[in-house]
Amino acid sequence: SQTIHQWPATLVQPVGSPLSLECTVEGTSNPNLYWYRQAAGRGLQLLFYSVGIGQISSEVPQNLSASRPQDRQFILSSKKLLLSDSGFYLCGCSPNTEAFFGQGTRLTVV
Amino acid sequence: TQLLEQSPQFLSIQEGENLTVYCNSSSVFSSLQWYRQEPGEGPVLLVTVVTGGEVKKLKRLTFQFGDARKDSSLHITAAQPGDTGLYLCAGATGNQFYFGTGTSLTVIP
Repeated sequence: SQTIHQWPATLVQPVGSPLSLECTVEGTSNPNLYWYRQAAGRGLQLLFYSVGIGQISSEVPQNLSASRPQDRQFILSSKKLLLSDSGFYLCGCSPNTEAFFGQGTRLTVV
Repeated sequence: TQLLEQSPQFLSIQEGENLTVYCNSSSVFSSLQWYRQEPGEGPVLLVTVVTGGEVKKLKRLTFQFGDARKDSSLHITAAQPGDTGLYLCAGATGNQFYFGTGTSLTVIP
């Protein structure tokens, strides 16, 4: 079965600073990969998904970008963080018809 | 964007009671998943339903997929404090998974 590693677990960044969250997957090949953001106690909002290396689809226009430099690596980035970028970010992996998730990153922009 | 509405949004019940959570959409999904999430952690997959009308049981949890594959329900029998958490439904279409608005369940001992 697949394992999803996501780091860091928590991050506090000043407004205007850059961001890089990394997600790596073990135990599967050529999965679909996802970045979601979650407001407290609410559902997950799909930000980006990727069906292969270098292939990124964006669901919501925003201050963030994503890249997939390797089959099992998915990166979420920002050049300049906004206060509204604060939230809980989850990396997801779908090797077939189901999605599995990492432990999440709590990002606080101050 | 595929919208899935869950109800109720919040639910607080006594240990031993039964409850049902609903997940509704106007969109058709190829499959539907239910997850439970603890604070500060990622969602954990509980079940996947694929066929319209399908019913799956996981111990005290019963999941049903609507005949038209637009809605689903989760029924918990004799709730226990360990059932406390955020319950999320997610509909799959193509390569994407769209999540419901969430139901926060608290089971009081």
